[in-house]
Amino acid sequence: RKEVEQDPGPFNVPEGATVAFNCTYSNSASQSFFWYRQDCRKEPKLLMSVYSSGNEDGRFTAQLNRASQYISLLIRDSKLSDSATYLCVVSGSARQLTFGSGTQLTVLP
Amino acid sequence: DTAVSQTPKYLVTQMGNDKSIKCEQNLGHDTMYWYKQDSKKFLKIMFSYNNKELIINETVPNRFSPKSPDKAHLNLHINSLELGDSAVYFCASSRGGTESQETQYFGPGTRLLVL
Repeated sequence: RKEVEQDPGPFNVPEGATVAFNCTYSNSASQSFFWYRQDCRKEPKLLMSVYSSGNEDGRFTAQLNRASQYISLLIRDSKLSDSATYLCVVSGSARQLTFGSGTQLTVLP
Repeated sequence: DTAVSQTPKYLVTQMGNDKSIKCEQNLGHDTMYWYKQDSKKFLKIMFSYNNKELIINETVPNRFSPKSPDKAHLNLHINSLELGDSAVYFCASSRGGTESQETQYFGPGTRLLVL
């Protein structure tokens, strides 16, 4: 079983749609959780950290369910510029990140 | 100014050759990393250095040797390149504190193609 699993997609949604991505992780000792974004042929960049209480940053909402070892990302009112691959990332210590293989999103005009 | 830079951006070489990729960060971070992203887009940690000291060394062939001359630089030398080494190699850095929420900043990647 992969340490971090994501649906690879692709998700093709119209502009303005709401889209949700899910991720599961296998190591119950994981401490920190993130969503990174990777544009085509670019480097990954931190989108947001994920906190136990859930957190929101503008149109983006992240949720964590430690009991089910499940992380989600919700994007509301999607824009063309949201098209990218979204990487679920889990950390068991300060310096070791484990990446999922990513979920590809294309927002269509 | 680029925070984490890598050279070269593209590297095309023959099997059996030896090559190096350089990485520099100007963020004042203590920890640097090398990741490999294969054709399936999986991003996997290879090495991590904190203040020039190796702290993570994943199961990587010993043909790969990282070198950190100072905490702002982490270079990756690859001996006897194989076809399976073709991938995108990303360098990253972070402050190097103990907080597990620490952000890692990635370089633009080096696209290696072994023929």
